[in-house]
Amino acid sequence: GESVGLHLPTLSVQEGDNSIINCAYSNSASDYFIWYKQESGKGPQFIIDIRSNMDKRQGQRVTVLLNKTVKHLSLQIAATQPGDSAVYFCAEGSSGTYKYIFGTGTRLKVLA
Amino acid sequence: EPEVTQTPSHQVTQMGQEVILRCVPISNHLYFYWYRQILGQKVEFLVSFYNNEISEKSEIFDDQFSVERPDGSNFTLKIRSTKLEDSAMYFCASIVSGNTGELFFGEGSRLTVL
Repeated sequence: GESVGLHLPTLSVQEGDNSIINCAYSNSASDYFIWYKQESGKGPQFIIDIRSNMDKRQGQRVTVLLNKTVKHLSLQIAATQPGDSAVYFCAEGSSGTYKYIFGTGTRLKVLA
Repeated sequence: EPEVTQTPSHQVTQMGQEVILRCVPISNHLYFYWYRQILGQKVEFLVSFYNNEISEKSEIFDDQFSVERPDGSNFTLKIRSTKLEDSAMYFCASIVSGNTGELFFGEGSRLTVL
């Protein structure tokens, strides 16, 4: 049978509030980072990416911040909506490799 | 919008049986991947594939796993002799270039090993 899953950290926010999801990455050689959203029963969906020569990048309602000094990545979602409820994963990659390594994930619950 | 498609969506098999999971990557993409996700856990890299050969593989991708691109469109993952712990969602993904850029994922194939 299937293994019991890890308990995902959960962030609960009120609809309309801003959300901040954090991620610590492991490889100091990583130079490319992505946030993915995964809804129940679906594959990961790209949200936004950032290269290591930047510390901030904005998209539509989302902002990614990168702090290479402490190997920390965050995703900010403005005016959180019910449709934002999902599990969010950060992923890291580096030049010269051909894989992205995913973090553990954070479940975002939007409260009406 | 182009998408990665995977079949079957769910497969149930007996332990020890061979399983083939199929994927059709996005047509102009050159790099292909398999990831797996055990229920409730993170997405784990299995293997990357480029120019008809494996580019990189993880320690999970042992001798019981193999990948193939049998024609110009399909990309398959074969598990030779399934174990209970192979039960997971298997995601195929593709990307235009190799190590940066949006990795497009399929909806996954759920494998249940009894």
